[in-house]
Amino acid sequence: KNQVEQSPQSLIILEGKNCTLQCNYTVSPFSNLRWYKQDTGRGPVSLTIMTFSENTKSNGRYTATLDADTKQSSLHITASQLSDSASYICVVSAWGAGNMLTFGGGTRLMVKP
Amino acid sequence: EAGVAQSPRYKIIEKRQSVAFWCNPISGHATLYWYQQILGQGPKLLIQFQNNGVVDDSQLPKDRFSAERLKGVDSTLKIQPAKLEDSAVYLCASSLGGGTGSGYGYTFGSGTRLTVV
Repeated sequence: KNQVEQSPQSLIILEGKNCTLQCNYTVSPFSNLRWYKQDTGRGPVSLTIMTFSENTKSNGRYTATLDADTKQSSLHITASQLSDSASYICVVSAWGAGNMLTFGGGTRLMVKP
Repeated sequence: EAGVAQSPRYKIIEKRQSVAFWCNPISGHATLYWYQQILGQGPKLLIQFQNNGVVDDSQLPKDRFSAERLKGVDSTLKIQPAKLEDSAVYLCASSLGGGTGSGYGYTFGSGTRLTVV
């Protein structure tokens, strides 16, 4: 069964600090892994998309890594800002027709001043 | 490019009432998805359309939920009658192609927050 597990479930950090969110998956056949940011009451917005051959991808202060061998990904946020407070969802896509997306439960990040 | 449009943004209804949500995908996107996201959880796929045909509705509670995409463009999701446990955010997403393997062009709307009291 395809699964995506995220940790921690929630995290509180001080503004300006860095943090790393984790994503472990068992999805086959693997196609790509995405990180989304979801503000409260809004739809998820894509931060990064990585395919099998990509180890790292950056989007501003967000850097995602992918280890396809261990089936792990991380999202590193540098110099956090109050606006980073949101849920971060890891989504893994499997090859095939139809919807093959498996969603993680998300990490709820709160950045405090 | 315009994003995925959803309406209404919020809806409060009493249990046993009916409710409908509307979604207009990105122009040219053949595939449209409806998700249910309960507070604190990741989205759960309810139904996927490819143009105006249903690709996957295995997790749609068909006794009370229905969805249509008659002209292959916009779509409506209906709940009749609503239950307390239907309280959630209903997200619409669209993508260019039928498969999600490419990973690109997959965009979510802002969602409709439904509260059933």
